[in-house]
Amino acid sequence: EVQLVESGGGLVKPGGSLRLSCATSGFTFSYYAMNWVRQAPGKGLEWVSSISTTSSFVYYADSVRGRFTISRDNAKNSLYLQMNSLRAEDTAVYYCARQRDYGDPFDSWGQGTLVTVSS
Amino acid sequence: SYELTQPPSVSVSPGQTASIACSGDKLGDKYAYWYQQRPGQSPVLVIYQNSKRPSGIPERFSGSNSGNTATLTISGTQAMDEADYYCQAWDGSTGVFGGGTKLTVL
Repeated sequence: EVQLVESGGGLVKPGGSLRLSCATSGFTFSYYAMNWVRQAPGKGLEWVSSISTTSSFVYYADSVRGRFTISRDNAKNSLYLQMNSLRAEDTAVYYCARQRDYGDPFDSWGQGTLVTVSS
Repeated sequence: SYELTQPPSVSVSPGQTASIACSGDKLGDKYAYWYQQRPGQSPVLVIYQNSKRPSGIPERFSGSNSGNTATLTISGTQAMDEADYYCQAWDGSTGVFGGGTKLTVL
């Protein structure tokens, strides 16, 4: 069974940092591109970032570029999102999502982890 | 930046057909994907490559994409189909979601 389990969310002050993790199992992690997608409370889905299978290619939404860094460890079957200079508008549930290849859809999602940016 | 537009809400009676549109510039030149999100749950892929259904998705879900509009159609809508639905496409290497449509079955 494919599983993606996010962790690392919590309450952080504006300007602070947080590192999210996504532990995966049930599939060959190194074969899949991975993504972070977020959802602000009561709002729609927003793609945040993606990373290729070997970390050669990384992409970011304009709203987070320069502040967030996506990474992965294929030996640990894990995906990460380092979030710096956090703002109130970054408050959201953050999902990790699997993607078979460039241009493919998100075919499996985690349960999400809530990040709240507030003083 | 590329944008996808969906109606905020659609209502349908049980057993009837629901259609949810997603519009974007030359969307028909891209693949459209559709996700279902029930309250308190993570999104689930229900249509990929415009019209294909992943394993486990009921046959009543179908999709099409042409011109500037992609459409998700649910035939014989059931109460369990009440959820938020999001279209999604790729604009180069950037993922883009529509704003979502709340489907009410009443």
